[in-house]
Amino acid sequence: GIQVEQSPPDLILQEGANSTLRCNFSDSVNNLQWFHQNPWGQLINLFYIPSGTKQNGRLSATTVATERYSLLYISSSQTTDSGVYFCAVERNSGGYQKVTFGTGTKLQVIP
Amino acid sequence: DTEVTQTPKHLVMGMTNKKSLKCEQHMGHRAMYWYKQKAKKPPELMFVYSYEKLSINESVPSRFSPECPNSSLLNLHLHALQPEDSALYLCASSQEMGAGGFFGPGTRLTVL
Repeated sequence: GIQVEQSPPDLILQEGANSTLRCNFSDSVNNLQWFHQNPWGQLINLFYIPSGTKQNGRLSATTVATERYSLLYISSSQTTDSGVYFCAVERNSGGYQKVTFGTGTKLQVIP
Repeated sequence: DTEVTQTPKHLVMGMTNKKSLKCEQHMGHRAMYWYKQKAKKPPELMFVYSYEKLSINESVPSRFSPECPNSSLLNLHLHALQPEDSALYLCASSQEMGAGGFFGPGTRLTVL
């Protein structure tokens, strides 16, 4: 099956700092999403981004499908950004669209 | 209404118990999913329903039994679980099958 690796696995930031999270995938995909899982377990959909660049406030994401990676940028980080960030890719497998989550990046933003 | 709700939030059960998890959405989505997430791991897909029919079963043991009574509801019936089944169980929905979609807050299950 497809491999989805995220880096770095862990990241500690001072409040106000910027960061870039990376998602590499081993095969072509139809779609890609970024999620934030807060400390209580809730998964929040950040971006649905099969290609190109999108921005939403302090967050932006870029997917380069031909090179099989996606980046999530967090600017001016806040303590509420803490949690685990997952990318999830979608590709056709056995006649259906299968979603596979990446390994995750655990982010801690300290005051 | 743009959310997925799940009940209960927490569940503790013995290995001989029968319990059910419930998931509900009113966004008109036609695909609904169950995921299992162990601590410090990504979610793993268990089942997918598309238009109220089971489309995907990712080789899940029969002690987990999904049910989709209508387009807004998804249940997961649990019977004779093992302690290693303790995990966060997440429900999600999407417009059509395949898109990652919207997730519920999850049910934290502990099997004693």
